[in-house]
Amino acid sequence: GAVVSQHPSRVICKSGTSVKIECRSLDFQATTMFWYRQFPKKSLMLMATSNEGSKATYEQGVEKDKFLINHASLTLSTLTVTSAHPEDSSFYICSALATRQLPYEQYFGPGTRLTVT
Amino acid sequence: AQSVTQLDSQVPVFEEAPVELRCNYSSSVSVYLFWYVQYPNQGLQLLLKYLSGSTLVKGINGFEAEFNKSQTSFHLRKPSVHISDTAEYFCAARMNYGGSQGNLIFGKGTKLSVKP
Repeated sequence: GAVVSQHPSRVICKSGTSVKIECRSLDFQATTMFWYRQFPKKSLMLMATSNEGSKATYEQGVEKDKFLINHASLTLSTLTVTSAHPEDSSFYICSALATRQLPYEQYFGPGTRLTVT
Repeated sequence: AQSVTQLDSQVPVFEEAPVELRCNYSSSVSVYLFWYVQYPNQGLQLLLKYLSGSTLVKGINGFEAEFNKSQTSFHLRKPSVHISDTAEYFCAARMNYGGSQGNLIFGKGTKLSVKP
């Protein structure tokens, strides 16, 4: 199957700083990528849909000025957590949508564990 | 509204026993159905999917699931589990609107714990 990578896999940052997470589709082009957040022992919560060349679409309750998403190319989307606080600590998972054929397939990255101290 | 319900949040089972993880969905349109597995501190891995055709689908690691349209269910089964099957399992659905498709909708997950 297709491969989606995330970098870094783990990051620890101090409160008030910003951290960037990269999501790459390694062997296919993805005009659409998704960013999810997963709380401990909980399901995935869709944060936003990232569209190449246009603004991301954020889910209700997600602060777009805090979680900046950039989808500058067909293989790369980035999520920047700005002015991070301890409550932003979580597991962030990206996913890329392969649209070469119907039905669409969604491939997930391995996740990034963010800890804000 | 579309939704996916996983009826059991935790399923403990002994090694080599059979297991069934339940999933029900609600949708006014046709759906594609998926089961994903998540091991600790890892992303999601696709176990199997139902797109169309045969209602019994087989996936990786010996898992299978049966699509039941009348009961709007897509239960996951394995006849004999291993310790290594201990993980979180997510059922998901994608609505098919004909020319377009909706986002994946996830259930809340079922924690499968296999004991020796």
